[in-house]
Amino acid sequence: GIQVEQSPPDLILQEGANSTLRCNFSDSVNNLQWFHQNPWGQLINLFYIPSGTKQNGRLSATTVATERYSLLYISSSQTTDSGVYFCAVFTGKLIFGQGTTLQVKP
Amino acid sequence: DVKVTQSSRYLVKRTGEKVFLECVQDMDHENMFWYRQDPGLGLRLIYFSYDVKMKEKGDIPEGYSVSREKKERFSLILESASTNQTSMYLCASWAPGTVLDTQYFGPGTRLTVL
Repeated sequence: GIQVEQSPPDLILQEGANSTLRCNFSDSVNNLQWFHQNPWGQLINLFYIPSGTKQNGRLSATTVATERYSLLYISSSQTTDSGVYFCAVFTGKLIFGQGTTLQVKP
Repeated sequence: DVKVTQSSRYLVKRTGEKVFLECVQDMDHENMFWYRQDPGLGLRLIYFSYDVKMKEKGDIPEGYSVSREKKERFSLILESASTNQTSMYLCASWAPGTVLDTQYFGPGTRLTVL
């Protein structure tokens, strides 16, 4: 089956720093999503981005479907950005990567 | 806004007990899902349902069963809980083809089996 790999597994930032999270997938997909799980466990969809670039405030995402990767950019990070970031691809069901755990220090 | 609720945030059970985890969504979504989340493994699909009384096995169905008697409710059942079922359980609902083509997740149930 399709493999979804995220990097880095862990990331520690100072407030105000920028970061890039990466998601590689092993086969063609027509649906890629990024999620944020806050420290209390709630998962929230950030982007539905099968291809191209989208921006939402300080967050943006780019998917290059032909090269099978997606990037999530976080600019001017805040402590509220802490948590786990997952990418997931849809192939009849959602397949999640293992996640990137982000800690933003004040 | 879509709302997905789960019956408990934290649950402690003993080995061998029968455990019911309930999930309710209020958006008339046809598709509902149960995942478990473990450190380093991400989210893994246990079961899903595309319609009332319909169920499909996910990647790790062993030791679990489900029930979907009404569209808004999807229950996960641990017939005889074991310690290796200690985990975070997440329910989700989804309406494919809508503008926001994504799954909506409940707050999760952290289950501990002693």
